[in-house]
Amino acid sequence: QQKVQQSPESLTVSEGAMASLNCTFSDGTSNNFRWYRQHSAKGLEVLVSIFSDGEKEEGRFTAHLNRANLHVSLHIREPQPSDSAVYLCAVSMTGNYKYVFGAGTRLKVIA
Amino acid sequence: NAGVIQTPRHKVTGKGQEATLWCEPISGHSAVFWYRQTIVQGLEFLTYFRNQAPIDDSGMPKERFSAQMPNQSHSTLKIQSTQPQDSAVYLCASSLDGLGGQYFGPGTRLTVL
Repeated sequence: QQKVQQSPESLTVSEGAMASLNCTFSDGTSNNFRWYRQHSAKGLEVLVSIFSDGEKEEGRFTAHLNRANLHVSLHIREPQPSDSAVYLCAVSMTGNYKYVFGAGTRLKVIA
Repeated sequence: NAGVIQTPRHKVTGKGQEATLWCEPISGHSAVFWYRQTIVQGLEFLTYFRNQAPIDDSGMPKERFSAQMPNQSHSTLKIQSTQPQDSAVYLCASSLDGLGGQYFGPGTRLTVL
């Protein structure tokens, strides 16, 4: 059964500094990865999807995938206080509708 | 595009009462998903409909929980005889065809006293 773990549990960064979040997964056949952001009391907002090794950039958000290392990361360039939220990693396989989510990383960006 | 709509946003029930949660998917999306989110368990898959038909309910507790999709514009999640452990945020998501990106609603926070 797929296990998805995120680290760190919480992260505080200064406005403008790079924020890096990590996600490891257990099923090496996974090839569908999404990063979501969840502001307090709101739904999940998809930030970036990645399906092959390498990197994928969507605005200030860049995902890096290394399937051999069972690792996908999210880097947030020039974070703003409005980026303070919980970030969730979701993993699945192409053709499989069922995503397994990590527990999340709570990011706080201070001015 | 109003996104996925969930009502109510908050619901408080007494132990043993029934709770019905509503979801309106994005127009044109054929797939609807229900998830439950708690601090302890995180985000857990409950059930999935495609073209209104139930496809996978493997995450649904076998007792007291049921979900329906009577038409393409809404789905309901019903919890009978609610218990304190049912307290959670229930999230609904829709996607174009079930395999693409899932778009989430704001969730319904259920509190069972």
